[in-house]
Amino acid sequence: SYVLTQPPSVSVAPGQTAKITCGGINIGSKNVHWYQQKPGQAPVVVVYDDSDRPSGIPERFSGSNSGNTATLTISRVEAGDEADFYCQVWHSSSDHPKVFGGGTKLTVL
Amino acid sequence: EVHLLESGGGLVQPGGSLRLSCAASGFTFNFYAMSWVRQAPGKGLEWVSAISNSGGSTFYADSVKGRFIISRDNSNNTLFLEMSSLRAEDTAIYFCAKNSDQSWSGPYYFDYWGQGNLVTVSS
Repeated sequence: SYVLTQPPSVSVAPGQTAKITCGGINIGSKNVHWYQQKPGQAPVVVVYDDSDRPSGIPERFSGSNSGNTATLTISRVEAGDEADFYCQVWHSSSDHPKVFGGGTKLTVL
Repeated sequence: EVHLLESGGGLVQPGGSLRLSCAASGFTFNFYAMSWVRQAPGKGLEWVSAISNSGGSTFYADSVKGRFIISRDNSNNTLFLEMSSLRAEDTAIYFCAKNSDQSWSGPYYFDYWGQGNLVTVSS
């Protein structure tokens, strides 16, 4: 099965930039989606198709994808951004094709 | 505005059965595939099952294959998950999620999620 690897945690001070990575073999050839999940809430998509933002998501959230790593970048981090973030791809040849990464806890210091 | 409201969760004994429902509103339900995604306590997200917009095509993760059945009622805008032979490891919050496309398969994403429904399997 296809594995997506995320760091368990990322910490950043308010106003700084947070980068959350998602590693996978040749992930650059796939469409990567990112979800934000705050405690006790449902996930919300913040970036889809590598770098597109749904309406209502601040421009501070951006994504990139190349080679074996996709990255979610959050600029000018705010306290309200603290959450778990999950990457997700479609891997057609897997027996579990819609794959989620293990999640990254973003802590705003 | 899109709304997805799950119901039917609760406490069930190992080996028991439960039926989850997800009432959808705010979009043309029969245009889109739907999925169930679960999250064990303190753990990450796991895609469990999916169904195409017409209901003619379905998917199950190996962990639930043969025990869970996904279905939909397009006339009543409702998604279902029939769960049987439940195990302790099925304990999780179950989210229904709208796919961004009519097909369950392909590089599409989940654009809306319900608030989730807790299923606890324990004696």
